[in-house]
Amino acid sequence: NAGVTQTPKFQVLKTGQSMTLQCAQDMNHEYMSWYRQDPGMGLRLIHYSVGAGITDQGEVPNGYNVSRSTTEDFPLRLLSAAPSQTSVYFCASSYRDIKNTEAFFGQGTRLTVV
Amino acid sequence: AQSVAQPEDQVNVAEGNPLTVKCTYSVSGNPYLFWYVQYPNRGLQFLLKYITGDNLVKGSYGFEAEFNKSQTSFHLKKPSALVSDSALYFCAVSSGGYNKLIFGAGTRLAVHP
Repeated sequence: NAGVTQTPKFQVLKTGQSMTLQCAQDMNHEYMSWYRQDPGMGLRLIHYSVGAGITDQGEVPNGYNVSRSTTEDFPLRLLSAAPSQTSVYFCASSYRDIKNTEAFFGQGTRLTVV
Repeated sequence: AQSVAQPEDQVNVAEGNPLTVKCTYSVSGNPYLFWYVQYPNRGLQFLLKYITGDNLVKGSYGFEAEFNKSQTSFHLKKPSALVSDSALYFCAVSSGGYNKLIFGAGTRLAVHP
């Protein structure tokens, strides 16, 4: 049981490049989400999904796209990287019912945009 | 709008002493409250949650938290701190039906021998 797996762990991009951060979970969780972590700001929600084919925006969605074609995978796409997107990105998953669950987090992807 | 405040950037405590990490929240509706811990270069790990019922919630590693509705607070506590408790602690809240969590800025706990 691997839990939540994020790849890559580290990435350096040039401004304007695009890339996809991968996230996969093997717990059959309906709910998946992406956060970015910046110093002094905690974790901010980028996008989330309540099931395959359903996604919605969080607090800071601009510059990011997501899709959820399967229950297991929830990739995050940076369309045209900017230095302001330098951050640590975390993927999380949980069952849909908040009363009976907790969020499981991946190890994070440290992204630097130069 | 939902929000979480962790008023202390850092808390310093001597090993063996009790510790408190503060959290206050603002949410419409019934709050679901969580504490997570982050060790260096790791993802967040769940510590405990309050959904309903007893205001004192017990969690992992000897931590507990007290829900206070009138003060809109959910402070994390431990009777006797360990050096290994040193980490970054996050309080989070959700009032929705899903696990859509809003996090505080985090509090760094430093436990000194």
